[in-house]
Amino acid sequence: QKEVEQDPGPLSVPEGAIVSLNCTYSNSAFQYFMWYRQYSRKGPELLMYTYSSGNKEDGRFTAQVDKSSKYISLFIRDSQPSDSATYLCAMIDVGGATNKLIFGTGTLLAVQP
Amino acid sequence: DGGITQSPKYLFRKEGQNVTLSCEQNLNHDAMYWYRQDPGQGLRLIYYSQIVNDFQKGDIAEGYSVSREKKESFPLTVTSAQKNPTAFYLCASSRGATNQPQHFGDGTRLSIL
Repeated sequence: QKEVEQDPGPLSVPEGAIVSLNCTYSNSAFQYFMWYRQYSRKGPELLMYTYSSGNKEDGRFTAQVDKSSKYISLFIRDSQPSDSATYLCAMIDVGGATNKLIFGTGTLLAVQP
Repeated sequence: DGGITQSPKYLFRKEGQNVTLSCEQNLNHDAMYWYRQDPGQGLRLIYYSQIVNDFQKGDIAEGYSVSREKKESFPLTVTSAQKNPTAFYLCASSRGATNQPQHFGDGTRLSIL
């Protein structure tokens, strides 16, 4: 079983839709959570970084963390064609001696105009 | 603008040849990382360095080598011992504290001739 599970998609939605991207994890030592956006042939770009359970909002993006259920989500409101990319969740294992990021495999999102 | 620069964007390797991928950052980050990204497998950690002149193996270090002689530079050499080197290679950096997110360059795509 992988430490982080992420639905690979692809996920196709019409422009303006609300998108929900999800990851589950199994290790309670994961305490910091990130969402990255990766366009084709580019490096991942940090979108959201959060620690606490609950919601964190930044523009059209909302990151949700539920540590009791070991579940994180990223919501995109009013999705745009420019949001078409692969979205990676990542978590920091604070049980180790270094800043080790554990990544999901990514969800490919296509927003249709 | 601060950031991480990877070069070249595309690289071709002949059988039996070593190649070196460059990574430079001007973010004044202490920690630097190399990842390999393959389709459907997410990002896998090759090597990381938390301070100058020190580095540790990640999960898939065999066939790779690194050096960290300067804070801003962390080159990766893909040796001839790496039998399946075709992949997208990503360099990242962070402030070094265990809870800090990593920031990525735009990658180098390595292919075999």
